[in-house]
Amino acid sequence: GAVVSQHPSWVICKSGTSVKIECRSLDFQATTMFWYRQFPKQSLMLMATSNEGSKATYEQGVEKDKFLINHASLTLSTLTVTSAHPEDSSFYICSAMERDRIGYTEAFFGQGTRLTVV
Amino acid sequence: AQSVTQLDSHVSVSEGTPVLLRCNYSSSYSPSLFWYVQHPNKGLQLLLKYTSAATLVKGINGFEAEFKKSETSFHLTKPSAHMSDAAEYFCVVSASWYSSASKIIFGSGTRLSIRP
Repeated sequence: GAVVSQHPSWVICKSGTSVKIECRSLDFQATTMFWYRQFPKQSLMLMATSNEGSKATYEQGVEKDKFLINHASLTLSTLTVTSAHPEDSSFYICSAMERDRIGYTEAFFGQGTRLTVV
Repeated sequence: AQSVTQLDSHVSVSEGTPVLLRCNYSSSYSPSLFWYVQHPNKGLQLLLKYTSAATLVKGINGFEAEFKKSETSFHLTKPSAHMSDAAEYFCVVSASWYSSASKIIFGSGTRLSIRP
């Protein structure tokens, strides 16, 4: 199946700094990618939908100036957590939908990034 | 709009007995439905998917699910539980086929425990 690579797998940063997380579709073109946040023992909450070449669509309650999303190419989307604080510590996962000639087929997920802000 | 409800936050069964994890969905469009499994500190793995073909879908590791439009359900079953099945299971809905408005929405998850 298709592969989505997410980097880094874990990161520790100081409060007030910014962290960039990359999500790449390795063997297919992903016009749409999704970013999720998962708190311990909880489900994945959709943060935003990233569309190649246009602005991301954020879910209600997600600060777009806090979580900057860029989808500059068909294989790369980035999430930047700006001025990170301890409450931003979480597990972040990206996803991309593979599309065939008919439509969407399957969602593929990155390995996730565990962010710890100290 | 799409939403998905997993009716049980925790299911516990004995090894060798059947497993039933319940999922109900809501979608304005014809849905695509998925079941994913997440083992502790691991990523997500696709178990099976429904995309408007056969209503009974067979997946990996002996799991299967039946799409019932009249009940808006997509319950996951397995005839005989194995210790390695212990994990968190997520029911996922997406608007089917070619929809630029499609989102991938996760249910709240069901933790499956297996008793020896």
